[in-house]
Amino acid sequence: AQSVTQLDSHVSVSEGTPVLLRCNYSSSYSPSLFWYVQHPNKGLQLLLKYTSAATLVKGINGFEAEFKKSETSFHLTKPSAHMSDAAEYFCVVRALRAGGTSYGKLTFGQGTILTVHP
Amino acid sequence: NAGVTQTPKFQVLKTGQSMTLQCAQDMNHEYMSWYRQDPGMGLRLIHYSVGAGITDQGEVPNGYNVSRSTTEDFPLRLLSAAPSQTSVYFCASSYSGTSGALSYNEQFFGPGTRLTVL
Repeated sequence: AQSVTQLDSHVSVSEGTPVLLRCNYSSSYSPSLFWYVQHPNKGLQLLLKYTSAATLVKGINGFEAEFKKSETSFHLTKPSAHMSDAAEYFCVVRALRAGGTSYGKLTFGQGTILTVHP
Repeated sequence: NAGVTQTPKFQVLKTGQSMTLQCAQDMNHEYMSWYRQDPGMGLRLIHYSVGAGITDQGEVPNGYNVSRSTTEDFPLRLLSAAPSQTSVYFCASSYSGTSGALSYNEQFFGPGTRLTVL
């Protein structure tokens, strides 16, 4: 079984200040982890994904996330928010079965709406 | 490449009507899936397919049927629409990956279909 908890349903920041969106996960198998962004009335776009090569993952638009196995967390950060970052963000876990074959089932968190004030 | 396409973009149905949501991808991905998005609940998996002729149920399959006769197409059928099926539906596809080494394959999402059942 796998699950994802996004700890904040809404986050509000001022333009130019840091962004922190929190995500905790649980998984019976070694997980792969993703952050997706959804702008209003749009589809989902991949921001970044975790690979076993590095625990600090860099994505598009200045976002990055750190995988912490001991804390089962995968928080998303950005040093300086921009107005265009206002959107809904989803933390997603994709558990891999023993043996490494991916069946592709994604489990989504509930989403965090990021508001950026001028 | 067009990526993942979905039709229609919007649809209004009456209770009891049937319809098919279309999904197609031109990336030769083996894996395709359907999700529904409801406020505060993230995206939930309805059905998925790991290849032509193979489908399986996801988290919320009741009221929906799928088939996969070709690699490219993965239609979602509502047999008798109910107001509880009012939602935004997303189709996604990805390369399935291989066993052995871990696979962290991005899922590509279509633009979504907004369905209202009256």
